[in-house]
Amino acid sequence: ELKVEQNPLFLSMQEGKNYTIYCNYSTTSDRLYWYRQDPGKSLESLFVLLSNGAVKQEGRLMASLDTKARLSTLHITAAVHDLSATYFCAGGGADGLTFGKGTHLIIQP
Amino acid sequence: NAGVTQTPKFQVLKTGQSMTLQCAQDMNHEYMSWYRQDPGMGLRLIHYSVGAGITDQGEVPNGYNVSRSTTEDFPLRLLSAAPSQTSVYFCASSPDWDSYNEQFFGPGTRLTVL
Repeated sequence: ELKVEQNPLFLSMQEGKNYTIYCNYSTTSDRLYWYRQDPGKSLESLFVLLSNGAVKQEGRLMASLDTKARLSTLHITAAVHDLSATYFCAGGGADGLTFGKGTHLIIQP
Repeated sequence: NAGVTQTPKFQVLKTGQSMTLQCAQDMNHEYMSWYRQDPGMGLRLIHYSVGAGITDQGEVPNGYNVSRSTTEDFPLRLLSAAPSQTSVYFCASSPDWDSYNEQFFGPGTRLTVL
């Protein structure tokens, strides 16, 4: 049974700073997803990572996958207030996704 | 395309009542699934379907039924609602599981069971 752990679960940071969210998973996963959720809203897909060493970037967000360490990271560069949200990682296969508990990110001016 | 749609957006039920949460997609996606989201718990998979006529259980299936008679629709039925089923329910779809595509989530249904 796949287990997904994110840390930290809560993060308050200042604009302009860099930080990383970590996602560890317990067993082999076909793929690793990152989602963003704003309060009261649905989930927005950010990245899909499919292979060891995969790195994807969109604006100030960069995600990577290390399948040997069973670790994915979401790195935030020069944070801005608009990136405040809850971020989820999820892994899984044909029998559905297993989500982490989410990282609630607050970026303060 | 409307994407993934869910109705209703909000619902209040009394314990023991039954209801169906509707989910539809107009993208001809084969794979559809239902999740529930509870505070501090992330999302948990209830049921999923890899195509019309095929469904399977996820992590938390008890108290819920599903069917998939068409590619477009994947309703979730609560047979006898319980307060523990108070949650936000999300439906998701993707073209198929083997293609490793992203899953598209609907806007959610916020359900309260009194």
